[in-house]
Amino acid sequence: DIQMTQSPSSLSASVGDRVTITCRASQSISSYLNWYQQKPGTAPKLLIYAASSLHSGVPSRFSGSGFGTDFTLTISSLQPEDFATYYCQQTYSTPLTFGGGTKVEIK
Amino acid sequence: EVQLVESGGGLVQPGGSLRVSCAASGFTFSSYDMNWVRQAPGKGLEWVSRISGGGGSTYYADSVKGRFTISRDNSKGTLYLQMNSLRVEDTAVYYCARRSSTVVINYYFYYMDVWGTGTTVTVSS
Repeated sequence: DIQMTQSPSSLSASVGDRVTITCRASQSISSYLNWYQQKPGTAPKLLIYAASSLHSGVPSRFSGSGFGTDFTLTISSLQPEDFATYYCQQTYSTPLTFGGGTKVEIK
Repeated sequence: EVQLVESGGGLVQPGGSLRVSCAASGFTFSSYDMNWVRQAPGKGLEWVSRISGGGGSTYYADSVKGRFTISRDNSKGTLYLQMNSLRVEDTAVYYCARRSSTVVINYYFYYMDVWGTGTTVTVSS
């Protein structure tokens, strides 16, 4: 199975900050990497697919990059509604696996 | 409106069985593979199972293989997860999620773009 490791597991940031979350795969997954946002008590929402493609309706302050084993989710200017937990997911092979999550909290 | 609504969760004793359902609306259900993803209390996301649009192909996480069965009724627009021999560690919110794809230079990139609200399964004596 492909292991997905996210860092940090949590971070504190202020509104307007630039935030970067990292996801590392245990083997190369090309660009088969998605990012999801989850707020407490709700289902995850797709943000980014194919490592860098913005899902419909997602604000442009979100961006993704990376290829192979190392990937990044960036929020260019953190907004109040962005405080949530973020997960990466690989779809290179079954079983699909998620990273452990990064909780973005208010500083 | 594209929507997925799960139902059927509840409290069950270890070793027991439960079937959860996911009703789809607003899209051509049979055209999409569907997934089950679960989330234990305070934990991250875990993929459980996937079924092809026609129902002929199924895939499972090792943690549930041989105990859980995914199925679908395309005439009813409904996805199912039959869970047998339940364990305490199966306690989680169970989400159904639609599998969509985008083609980029002959490569298919898959993602879960529509999720249900989840149904809670608690395994406890």
